[in-house]
Amino acid sequence: DTGVSQDPRHKITKRGQNVTFRCDPISEHNRLYWYRQTLGQGPEFLTYFQNEAQLEKSRLLSDRFSAERPKGSFSTLEIQRTEQGDSAMYLCASSLSIYEQYFGPGTRLTVT
Amino acid sequence: AQSVTQLDSQVPVFEEAPVELRCNYSSSVSVYLFWYVQYPNQGLQLLLKYLSGSTLVESINGFEAEFNKSQTSFHLRKPSVHISDTAEYFCAVSVEGSNYKLTFGKGTLLTVNP
Repeated sequence: DTGVSQDPRHKITKRGQNVTFRCDPISEHNRLYWYRQTLGQGPEFLTYFQNEAQLEKSRLLSDRFSAERPKGSFSTLEIQRTEQGDSAMYLCASSLSIYEQYFGPGTRLTVT
Repeated sequence: AQSVTQLDSQVPVFEEAPVELRCNYSSSVSVYLFWYVQYPNQGLQLLLKYLSGSTLVESINGFEAEFNKSQTSFHLRKPSVHISDTAEYFCAVSVEGSNYKLTFGKGTLLTVNP
């Protein structure tokens, strides 16, 4: 197992377009988190899944954002009608215990 | 809600010098504390964590951090840094009852110069 993977690593899109990111957690990790990191800031929590259930969403997650984790395996994060303010690094993390999260390399989104 | 403050956004040091990266947190409940490191163009890696027990925790590459409950701090130290320690360091906290999501500080960029 090589860790958490995210695809794509980079995405450039025009304002108003929809984008979808994928996260593949470490196998058997039942907890999955999405974070967003903007320049000069630490990562900020977006949403949390335990198995396939989305148990928490941050106020940062507007109606344009949706996340899924079908069958408790990989997860997708979709942003509809992208805005320039959505430009950021989107990070996925998975964990088996409550004490340690393993992060993927992130997807860097640039909205032009 | 909990919060994390990293007091220094940038810390430049010379190779083999000691370093301390400061982290303070606020929370009304018991916390778990973490330091993550992000090397250029790489993802976040867990450096060390405090869960309970001994207040001094160590990493495999010479870093250590001490949990100080009275001062609500979790400062990261290394007695002698290497050029390869150049990276961004993030302090983070999680609490029970919050799905253990991490709340991060803004990060400290440690630059080790020859």
